[in-house]
Amino acid sequence: DAGVIQSPRHEVTEMGQEVTLRCKPISGHDYLFWYRQTMMRGLELLIYFNNNVPIDDSGMPEDRFSAKMPNASFSTLKIQPSEPRDSAVYFCASSLFGTGGEKLFFGSGTQLSVL
Amino acid sequence: GNSVTQMEGPVTLSEEAFLTINCTYTATGYPSLFWYVQYPGEGLQLLLKATKADDKGSNKGFEATYRKETTSFHLEKGSVQVSDSAVYFCALRFQTGANNLFFGTGTRLTVIP
Repeated sequence: DAGVIQSPRHEVTEMGQEVTLRCKPISGHDYLFWYRQTMMRGLELLIYFNNNVPIDDSGMPEDRFSAKMPNASFSTLKIQPSEPRDSAVYFCASSLFGTGGEKLFFGSGTQLSVL
Repeated sequence: GNSVTQMEGPVTLSEEAFLTINCTYTATGYPSLFWYVQYPGEGLQLLLKATKADDKGSNKGFEATYRKETTSFHLEKGSVQVSDSAVYFCALRFQTGANNLFFGTGTRLTVIP
C-alpha cells in the first residue's frame, strides 16, 4: 500500500482565498483524522471520521473550516476564507480500529502558507 | 481532562550521549501510551507503545516504561545517533471509546557528530 496520500504538498495562497486540502487514507482503514501542526500549539486534532461519518469536530477552530469524507477513500479539509493565522502544516492520518487501533498512519502533510 | 505534558525542547546532544525525554500524563482510567517520531519533512510514525502499567515499549534502541504510580512514560536511549534527530511526541489513548490520540507538544532532538 502507498500509505496515506495528501495533496498538495505545499500550498501558498493569499488571504481571503479558498483552500482545499485532500487526503486518501490507507485502503481498508475505517478512521480518518485531520491534524494541524504549528510551532505555538503543537499538534492539534481538528476532526475525525469513522466509516466516513464525522465523530468529533470540536477541534475545528471556526466556521471557516469544514471537512468532508464523501467515501472511504477520500477526504477534504476546506478553509474559506483563509487567513494568515491558518498557516501551518496540516496532516491527515488513518487507522483501523481493532488492530490495536491506536497505530495511526500519517501522511506527509500539506504545508499551507497564507499571505 | 486528558492531557500529555512533555519536557520542552529543543534538546541538543552529542553522538553517543544518553537521551531522556520526559513525559507525564493526566487521564482518568487506564490509557495506552505511545511515542511517535517525526523526521524532517515527514509525517509522524509510531516509535513504541505500552498498553498497561509496568509495560516497557522498545524499538530502535529507544525504551519507555509505563509508570502508573508517577503517571509517566519517559523516553530513553542509551546512545543516540545523528539519524535520531527528529521531533518526538508523547501521546495517550484510552483503551475503550474513541480511536483518537492526545498528543504532547513535541520535543525537538538534534544530535551533533
